Amino acid sequence: KQEVTQIPAALSVPEGENLVLNCSFTDSAIYNLQWFRQDPGKGLTSLLLIQSSQREQTSGRLNASLDKSSGRSTLYIAASQPGDSATYLCAVSGSSNTGKLIFGQGTTLQVKP
Amino acid sequence: EPEVTQTPSHQVTQMGQEVILRCVPISNHLYFYWYRQILGQKVEFLVSFYNNEISEKSEIFDDQFSVERPDGSNFTLKIRSTKLEDSAMYFCARGQGEGYEQYFGPGTRLTVT
Repeated sequence: KQEVTQIPAALSVPEGENLVLNCSFTDSAIYNLQWFRQDPGKGLTSLLLIQSSQREQTSGRLNASLDKSSGRSTLYIAASQPGDSATYLCAVSGSSNTGKLIFGQGTTLQVKP
Repeated sequence: EPEVTQTPSHQVTQMGQEVILRCVPISNHLYFYWYRQILGQKVEFLVSFYNNEISEKSEIFDDQFSVERPDGSNFTLKIRSTKLEDSAMYFCARGQGEGYEQYFGPGTRLTVT
C-alpha cells in the first residue's frame, strides 16, 4: 500500500531564504507526483506536476525534483516571501488506472518578514 | 487553470440527516473525484467517477455514500445518514485520468452536530 510522508511537518524561515521541502513515497511504481499549496481553510492549488519519466519541473521560483527509484521528491522554493506561507502537500498517483492521488500530511511553511 | 466550483461552502447538519454536496467541473474532463480532509489529517481519496460510473472507491466510501452526475454537469456526493465523524472538508476534483494533473475545488466544510 502506497504511503506518502513529508518532512518536516512545519518550517519557519526568514524572508529571502531558499528552502527545500521533502516528500517520500514507499512504492516507486508511480505515474506522476503533484505538489499542491493549501492556504488555511481553503482548497488545493496545483503548483507542479512531474511525470514519472521526468527528473524535475520548474515554475517561477519553484523547482520540483523527482527520484522515482529512491521514492523521493523535493520542492525547492527560492527567495521565499511572506506570501509563500501555506501548507505544501505532495501527492502521488499510480496505484490504479483512475488517477486517484495519495497524499502526504503536508509541510506548513511560515515565512517571516 | 479552469475552475471547479463547489456548493455550499459550509454545511451544518444534525447527525442522521442526509446531505448533498455539489460540484460543477469543466465538462470536457473525463474523471471526477471526491476527497475529504478531516481537520488536521491527510487528504483522503473517496471515489473516482468516469463515464457516469464509479471507477474506483476507497474503503471509506461505504453504503452511506453515493455519487451521481444527474444532469451532465453537476457532480454530487450524497451522505445518507451523517455521523459525527463525517465532519470534514470535502473536495471535488477533475482531471483526465492517470498521469494527468488534477484540479481541485475550494471545498465544502461539513459540520455534523
